[in-house]
Amino acid sequence: NAGVMQNPRHLVRRRGQEARLRCSPMKGHSHVYWYRQLPEEGLKFMVYLQKENIIDESGMPKERFSAEFPKEGPSILRIQQVVRGDSAAYFCASSSTGGTQPQHFGDGTRLSIL
Amino acid sequence: SQQGEEDPQALSIQEGENATMNCSYKTSINNLQWYRQNSGRGLVHLILIRSNEREKHSGRLRVTLDTSKKSSSLLITASRAADTASYFCATDAAGSQGNLIFGKGTKLSVKP
Repeated sequence: NAGVMQNPRHLVRRRGQEARLRCSPMKGHSHVYWYRQLPEEGLKFMVYLQKENIIDESGMPKERFSAEFPKEGPSILRIQQVVRGDSAAYFCASSSTGGTQPQHFGDGTRLSIL
Repeated sequence: SQQGEEDPQALSIQEGENATMNCSYKTSINNLQWYRQNSGRGLVHLILIRSNEREKHSGRLRVTLDTSKKSSSLLITASRAADTASYFCATDAAGSQGNLIFGKGTKLSVKP
């Protein structure tokens, strides 16, 4: 009974490269949330997706960041032309119904930009 | 704008003592949740309290919610070294799609 799976756990990129972060939600969950956490900070909401649809992307930077959750396969958070300020831990969470429900988190991807 | 704010930022206690963490928020909410995060790991959901509830218990955890003061507290009784972690409150604002707004957390250290 796997929980939320994120990979890779650690990702190192040079400035200007692309970073792709993957998230497989818990079995039976169709709602996925992405959050970003800076050191010693709480999590900041980025985007909420439900199979093939972006429900709320109010926390996503307007440029370079995109997210998808295709019908088949994991959700992907893509960061193009990465900059040093993108260094953070990125967490994915899933829930069965969305709305007012507890969210189940993965262990995150720690992105480091050289 | 950041919703939840926890205090204290850090708390150090001895095993067996109780730990109390507080959280304040700014806008109307549907519910308030508490999560725990061990170093280098994801968040684990502890307890959810709805806006029409005032107190909730789960094992050694007790959560209170005061919507008039827009505040909540998490009490961990008879703490153990394994309770060492960061604790975050999270709210979903009334009318939101369910995305959570987290505070900066309280870092709890329980010494054996």
